[in-house]
This record gives sequence, C-alpha cells and structure tokens, in this order.
Amino acid sequence: DAKTTQPNSMESNEEEPVHLPCNHSTISGTDYIHWYRQLPSQGPEYVIHGLTSNVNNRMASLAIAEDRKSSTLILHRATLRDAAVYYCILRSDNYGQNFVFGPGTRLSVLP
Amino acid sequence: AAGVIQSPRHLIKEKRETATLKCYPIPRHDTVYWYQQGPGQDPQFLISFYEKMQSDKGSIPDRFSAQQFSDYHSELNMSSLELGDSALYFCASSSTGGTGELFFGEGSRLTVL
Repeated sequence: DAKTTQPNSMESNEEEPVHLPCNHSTISGTDYIHWYRQLPSQGPEYVIHGLTSNVNNRMASLAIAEDRKSSTLILHRATLRDAAVYYCILRSDNYGQNFVFGPGTRLSVLP
Repeated sequence: AAGVIQSPRHLIKEKRETATLKCYPIPRHDTVYWYQQGPGQDPQFLISFYEKMQSDKGSIPDRFSAQQFSDYHSELNMSSLELGDSALYFCASSSTGGTGELFFGEGSRLTVL
C-alpha cells in the first residue's frame, strides 16, 4: 500500500478554518485519496475522497496538489464536535481491498 | 437510514475461551470488512469479504476465522482467546455500486480476563 504522512496532532480554535495536510509522494495513478475521521469511542467515519480534482461536500473540502503528491483536508469552521483523529488513506479502486488506517492527525478544537 | 449493526456490543471472556462477533451490513452492501483496534491504537485491518468470498486478508491471527453468509451478514470467530485480544472490533460495509465509502458499525468491545 502507498504510504501517507500526516502530523501527529494539530490544534484549532472553534469556528476557525482547519487545514489538515497529508503527504503521499508514492501515490500511483489509480490511487484515490480518502479521508476518514474517528471521534472518541466511535467507529471511523467517512469524510471525503477524490482522485485528481478538488472536492467539496457538506462536511469538508479536499484540495489535491497538481502532482497528487500531497493533499489537504479543509474544515471550513471547526466545531467542538470535529475533535477527532483524521486519517488520510490511499486506496486503488479495487472493491474489497482494505483501507489502511494510521497514524493519523489528532485534531483538538479549543472553545 | 439503516446502519451497520454489530453484536454483541460488549463481551467478556476468559483466556482460552472462544468468542463470536456478528456483523449485519447495510442492506444491499456486498462487502464486509473487519478491523481490530487495541487501546490507544489505530484500527488494524483483519479481513474482508466480497460476495461471500474472502477478498483481502490482513493481520488476522490463525486463531481467528471469519465468513460471510448468504444474507451478507458476517461472523468473526475467535478461539483460544488471549489477553492481547482485548480490543474494539469494528465491522464496516460497502457497496460496489457506490462510491467505495466504508460505513462502520459502533463496534464490539471484547474484554479477555
């Protein structure tokens, strides 16, 4: 599996934007970039994914570098409920192929 | 909307006993994944099934086995339990007709004494 690198932890103030970086210099052409998050005592939760173009959904935005060797998950206005571990995962479009979690970025949101 | 259902939510076993965890995927999802998460650790992939056939295998101990049944539910069987098997076990499901997104259950917490 292609490897990703994320900061161990980040801190943000409530209602401010958060930019969570991910490096994936060995990404292959068929790898999708997925982001999941895990809130305390819960199962991982899908956030967003993309291949080449930037993506937006109700939860977040995903900005993908032109060379695809890095990406950034953007939370536009952090809330206390966004405090979680965020995982950046590469996965080719093979159904049944597993997602490899970790280590991710532990995001703390300060009131 | 229906989510992934796992049972039991909590299970306490003694060393060397056996345990079975069950997972009911979202309706019309054809792929099931099992993950193990120890205290303070990231989820570790164990095994996955697509259309009732094993599709990928991770760090699943030989003492563990799993299968997916005709109704697409899956069971994870764990034998000769060890203290180190104490963990949260997550099941996830996905649909090949969808976006590939994994939907996770709330997990089953196994405690081995």
